[in-house]
Amino acid sequence: DVKVTQSSRYLVKRTGEKVFLECVQDMDHENMFWYRQDPGLGLRLIYFSYDVKMKEKGDIPEGYSVSREKKERFSLILESASTNQTSMYLCASLPTNVEQETQYFGPGTRLLVL
Amino acid sequence: GENVEQHPSTLSVQEGDSAVIKCTYSDSASNYFPWYKQELGKRPQLIIDIRSNVGEKKDQRIAVTLNKTAKHFSLHITETQPEDSAVYFCAASPFSGGYNKLIFGAGTRLAVHP
Repeated sequence: DVKVTQSSRYLVKRTGEKVFLECVQDMDHENMFWYRQDPGLGLRLIYFSYDVKMKEKGDIPEGYSVSREKKERFSLILESASTNQTSMYLCASLPTNVEQETQYFGPGTRLLVL
Repeated sequence: GENVEQHPSTLSVQEGDSAVIKCTYSDSASNYFPWYKQELGKRPQLIIDIRSNVGEKKDQRIAVTLNKTAKHFSLHITETQPEDSAVYFCAASPFSGGYNKLIFGAGTRLAVHP
């Protein structure tokens, strides 16, 4: 059973702080993704990574960066948090297998920026 | 860019009735269409998916239909039960050079009333 975990379920930060959100998967998946989820907007892709040290911008990368130093860990970084980054953040992982396209999600981190 | 539109945004049905959620996609090269269910406070979970070489797929009370010509696909839930109440997301996987990227719809909040 695939397990995707995120470092925090709830996080409260102040404007201007640097914020790290961590995601770890235990199934040796090559691909990992960060989404943010907002009411009425669904899940929007921020960044994804298809291998260690590789990263690709998603649809809304502005204000975010990522780090993938190890295969099992994908970090989302808010360099200077702003109130419009208050959201639910979801991490997902996926093996590189043409027959397997289902992404497995973590439990989410609800971030509040004051 | 790629876009997935999902309707309706909210749906309220009586227990035992059927529920239908519809999605349209813009990228004609999309070839994989999953549906996720997200219960309150929980992570999205895959409930059914369909590939572009199939027109319909069924799993107990849930079915998905795909019309490639019209670029739309639908989720059908029969004999709805209160535990079907959740937010449902459709997604499409556009051709992205081998990377498994999903574009999500905005979600449908389904309420099943006893």
